[in-house]
Parts: sequence; C-alpha cells; structure tokens
Amino acid sequence: GENVEQHPSTLSVQEGDSAVIKCTYSDSASNYFPWYKQELGKRPQLIIDIRSNVGEKKDQRIAVTLNKTAKHFSLHITETQPEDSAVYFCAATLNNNDMRFGAGTRLTVKP
Amino acid sequence: DAEITQSPRHKITETGRQVTLACHQTWNHNNMFWYRQDLGHGLRLIHYSYGVHDTNKGEVSDGYSVSRSNTEDLPLTLESAASSQTSVYFCASSYSTGELFFGEGSRLTVL
Repeated sequence: GENVEQHPSTLSVQEGDSAVIKCTYSDSASNYFPWYKQELGKRPQLIIDIRSNVGEKKDQRIAVTLNKTAKHFSLHITETQPEDSAVYFCAATLNNNDMRFGAGTRLTVKP
Repeated sequence: DAEITQSPRHKITETGRQVTLACHQTWNHNNMFWYRQDLGHGLRLIHYSYGVHDTNKGEVSDGYSVSRSNTEDLPLTLESAASSQTSVYFCASSYSTGELFFGEGSRLTVL
C-alpha cells in the first residue's frame, strides 16, 4: 500500500513568516493529495487538496505544489498568523481509496 | 444539517473486554473509514468500507473488526481489548470525490 512521509515533525515560525511542510509518497499511481488541519482537541478538517493533473493550487494564504516525477508535494502557508498554529497532515490516495496519512507536522506561530 | 457522530466520546475499559465504537453519518456517503491517532504516527487506517456489506482491512487491522449493514453506520469492534489499543479513534466518511469528513473522535483507554 501507499506510504507517506512528512517533514518536519515540528515547525516554529514567527508571525508573518512563511511555513513549508513537505511530503513524499511511494505509489506512483496515487492521484489525490489532500492536506488536513487539526486544531488541539478537534477533528481534522480539509484545508486544500490537489489532483495529479495539476502542479499547483492556491487558496488565499495557502498553496500546494505537486511534483509527480519526484513523488513529493508541499504545503505553503504565507503571512502566518497565530490561528494557523495546529497539526497539519498530508495524505495520498488513488481515487480516494484507502487514504494514507503522513505522521503530521505541529506548526507553532509565535506572535 | 448532515453530520457524522461517534459514540462514546470517552471510554475506559479493561484488558480482554470487547468494546464497540459507534459511527453514524447522515450524508448518505458510500465510503466510511476508521482511523486511530497516536502521537508520532499520525492517522493510521484500521478498516474501511465502500458500501453496504463491503469491508476492507487497512494498515493496522489486527484486533479490530467492522461490519456495514446499512449506509449510515460502521461500528468498530475490539474483540479483546489490549493496552496497545489505547488511542483516539476517528471515523470518517466521503463521497467518491475525495474529501474526508471526520467525526469528533473517541478516546479509548484500555487498563
């Protein structure tokens, strides 16, 4: 099955700086790559996703890039704010079957 | 409003007891999933179902079972609870298009 690795496990940035989280996947057939945000004590919620037919997608301060050849994808958060502090998970799947998650990145944005 | 609910939210049990965690969704989603969340491991897939009477093993299925007798429910059963199964359990559902909608989680402690 799919194996997803995520780095770094923790990330601390100053408010206003950018944050980048990187993931690699093992199954070249995977075609859907979502990112979830989990605030303390809450359920994970989708913040952005990308499919294998595009290389980049943006939504306000967040963006995701995908490199199919290298089998890696990244989450970029610009102008970070304290409310961006959370655990972020990447995931990979083929046609939403058997979605596998990375181990998570704990992002802390210091005011 | 449509939703996905889990019960119980918190449970303490003893080693060797049978435990069932309930998951109920009102979105009429075909796909349902059970994950466990442990520090350092992210979200690991236990079992999943693509429809009534369909069940599949995930990456950490040993010691767990599920059944899907209708579209709305996917109960997770621990036949003989072990201390290694102390965790937070998340149920999720989705259409075929991708986004997972998670329940609020069930925290299980096995003493």
